[in-house]
Amino acid sequence: AQTVTQSQPEMSVQEAETVTLSCTYDTSESDYYLFWYKQPPSRQMILVIRQEAYKQQNATENRFSVNFQKAAKSFSLKISDSQLGDAAMYFCAYRSGALNFGNEKLTFGTGTRLTIIP
Amino acid sequence: GAVVSQHPSWVICKSGTSVKIECRSLDFQATTMFWYRQFPKQSLMLMATSNEGSKATYEQGVEKDKFLINHASLTLSTLTVTSAHPEDSSFYICSARVYEDTEAFFGQGTRLTVV
Repeated sequence: AQTVTQSQPEMSVQEAETVTLSCTYDTSESDYYLFWYKQPPSRQMILVIRQEAYKQQNATENRFSVNFQKAAKSFSLKISDSQLGDAAMYFCAYRSGALNFGNEKLTFGTGTRLTIIP
Repeated sequence: GAVVSQHPSWVICKSGTSVKIECRSLDFQATTMFWYRQFPKQSLMLMATSNEGSKATYEQGVEKDKFLINHASLTLSTLTVTSAHPEDSSFYICSARVYEDTEAFFGQGTRLTVV
């Protein structure tokens, strides 16, 4: 079974600075997807960024980028120019690449609470 | 992104009664829907996965007779908490996806309080 580990329960960063959230995972599969979701106080889960394991290039979405190290099974999220609206819980998630019923579920890490200091 | 609507956003019910939570995909057909439970300050725990027209697959430890899931159409899944007790109080979240897509879209969640 796959596992996802987020070792930082809480992080804080000064507004406009850069912060990196860590995530490691364990899997025996070669084809999979990794995601970062944001859950603000409203508790609506919002997809921040996703990475396909077969792609060597790290995914980027505006101020959000990932450092995907497949051999090390590491998938960190970097937030540049942090803004007050970035304050939220951030969850790392894993999904198998096999498109079979039963493999579609997301496995979540325990989350990192990010605080933005004005 | 696609929109998933969950209703109600919050509900309070008396112990021993049943409550139904709806999850609708508004602008796409969801072949698969997922139901999660989230305790305060904790991660999302998958309860069950359902495909339209078939029985849900429950995760280990989830009582299928207590948490009834129906996925009768490609746009609607329901979770019914039967004979609710205070320990069932939690935040329930649904998500939906199209089979060919890798991304799951989430509803806004339902806060259930059993008194």
